[in-house]
Amino acid sequence: DAKTTQPNSMESNEEEPVHLPCNHSTISGTDYIHWYRQLPSQGPEYVIHGLTSNVNNRMASLAIAEDRKSSTLILHRATLRDAAVYYCILRGNNAGNMLTFGGGTRLMVKP
Amino acid sequence: DAGVIQSPRHEVTEMGQEVTLRCKPISGHNSLFWYRQTMMRGLELLIYFNNNVPIDDSGMPEDRFSAKMPNASFSTLKIQPSEPRDSAVYFCASRPDSLSNQPQHFGDGTRLSIL
Repeated sequence: DAKTTQPNSMESNEEEPVHLPCNHSTISGTDYIHWYRQLPSQGPEYVIHGLTSNVNNRMASLAIAEDRKSSTLILHRATLRDAAVYYCILRGNNAGNMLTFGGGTRLMVKP
Repeated sequence: DAGVIQSPRHEVTEMGQEVTLRCKPISGHNSLFWYRQTMMRGLELLIYFNNNVPIDDSGMPEDRFSAKMPNASFSTLKIQPSEPRDSAVYFCASRPDSLSNQPQHFGDGTRLSIL
């Protein structure tokens, strides 16, 4: 399985943008890049996913490198409620492919 | 809309006892997943069902663990007999189908403590 590498932790100030990096140098052509986050005492929550083009939704933006070997999750204005563990996951497009969670990045947001 | 519903939220029991965790997936979702989360090992997939049929149970740690999905709206994860090392948070998730990139929706988990 193609793996992802993320920093263990990051800090941000409230109301500032946050860029969460993810390296996936062994990504295959059919792997989608998914991001989930897990708030304290809750189950993981879907954030965004993409294949090649940058993606935007109400929660975040996903910037994907041209060679697809890395991506960045962008929170445009961090709030205290964004403090969570953020997971970058590759998922193949074949039936039955599951999500394999790594260690993720623990984001701390300072007021 | 109701999300994935898990019960109980917390369970404390003595080792050797049987433990049953329950999950109600989102209505209309055909895929169901059971995960376990610990500090040491992170979030691990235990078993995955599609259309009520177990597809991949390679993550189930031992024969003491079993999972069933008797119908599209209910699944159980059973541990018998339970051991202290089974203490963890167990999550259930569902997804509309197995083919698309639709996201998985997770429940709030069952925090299990085996004494």
